[in-house]
Amino acid sequence: GESVGLHLPTLSVQEGDNSIINCAYSNSASDYFIWYKQESGKGPQFIIDIRSNMDKRQGQRVTVLLNKTVKHLSLQIAATQPGDSAVYFCAEALLGNTGFQKLVFGTGTRLLVSP
Amino acid sequence: DVKVTQSSRYLVKRTGEKVFLECVQDMDHENMFWYRQDPGLGLRLIYFSYDVKMKEKGDIPEGYSVSREKKERFSLILESASTNQTSMYLCASSLRVFSLKSEKLFFGSGTQLSVL
Repeated sequence: GESVGLHLPTLSVQEGDNSIINCAYSNSASDYFIWYKQESGKGPQFIIDIRSNMDKRQGQRVTVLLNKTVKHLSLQIAATQPGDSAVYFCAEALLGNTGFQKLVFGTGTRLLVSP
Repeated sequence: DVKVTQSSRYLVKRTGEKVFLECVQDMDHENMFWYRQDPGLGLRLIYFSYDVKMKEKGDIPEGYSVSREKKERFSLILESASTNQTSMYLCASSLRVFSLKSEKLFFGSGTQLSVL
């Protein structure tokens, strides 16, 4: 079956550094990928997405890179701030029986930002 | 902004009780989902619904049922709660996907259910 995994369960960085959170996926047919951020006591919030016909997409202070050759996804956060401390999930989209995109989530990486 | 509201933040129930978790969204989204979140396992899909009165099983539907009588409301039902259903339950909604358009899920804040 398909799986989405993360290389590091916890990432600790200093405020102002750049953070890189990695994710491996196993289904080469996945055509859509999303990063979510979950702060303590809250539901996951959408950060950025990327389609399989792209290899890079930039948002505000965040960049997602997609390497389809090795089935690897990464989230880069520039100038990490204490407010970035959270658990980050990657997810891949698979087409279900109804032609409906179902998201499969990874287990998450905790980002800890120290001042 | 989309608002997905889950009726309870914390819930404590006893084994064997029937439990209802309610979720309401205010953006006229066609699709609604129930996930459970457990440490080390991430988010796992229990059930989803792509229209009123329509439902589909997710990856872990056993022990759960759902109800979608109105577009804005999606209920998760534990017919007879068991201790292994202690978990964080997350509701989400999204616009319907056609062709290969992207789908963004909007999540509620979650209900932490403890079954004793």
